[in-house]
Amino acid sequence: EDKVVQSPLSLVVHEGDTVTLNCSYEVTNFRSLLWYKQEKKAPTFLFMLTSSGIEKKSGRLSSILDKKELFSILNITATQTGDSAVYLCAVNNYGQNFVFGPGTRLSVLP
Amino acid sequence: SAVISQKPSRDICQRGTSLTIQCQVDSQVTMMFWYRQQPGQSLTLIATANQGSEATYESGFVIDKFPISRPNLTFSTLTVSNMSPEDSSIYLCSVRLLEGYEQYFGPGTRLTVT
Repeated sequence: EDKVVQSPLSLVVHEGDTVTLNCSYEVTNFRSLLWYKQEKKAPTFLFMLTSSGIEKKSGRLSSILDKKELFSILNITATQTGDSAVYLCAVNNYGQNFVFGPGTRLSVLP
Repeated sequence: SAVISQKPSRDICQRGTSLTIQCQVDSQVTMMFWYRQQPGQSLTLIATANQGSEATYESGFVIDKFPISRPNLTFSTLTVSNMSPEDSSIYLCSVRLLEGYEQYFGPGTRLTVT
């Protein structure tokens, strides 16, 4: 059965800190891994990763995938209170839908 | 990306009634999905809405409880039937674009059943 595990499940930091969120997975016929940020209702798309070792960056956020070790990390540098959210990792295999992890709840304190 | 709208954005319903949620996309998409997110939980896929045919339901979800329509490539509805308080959740429409396989979510419908 396909599975996605995220750690930590909850994290509290102060503004300016750097955080690393982890996502490990077990899936047959891996196609892609996606990161989402969920603040209120709908998750908003952050990154899609398909190849190992290629870092994707958007501002203070970056992510990388390791297909050999079956994990991905999401880094957020110089955190701000607006980064407070649940970060979801989802994995897709060919022809199937996404399997979501439980999410990491990040709280950034001023 | 795609612009996805859902109606209603929220509703409070009585036990035993039904609610139909609409999802409209501004471009043609290959796949449309309906997810549920119960309080404090991650997203759970209810079904894939297939254009012109019956939806494909995940384990634990049945058509009688969650009938789905998808008459064209840009629109779908999810009905939550004979509601009970356990159906109180956020219901999310999600789409995958024709040219790629990134997946986007609508704004969600927050349903409370009393």
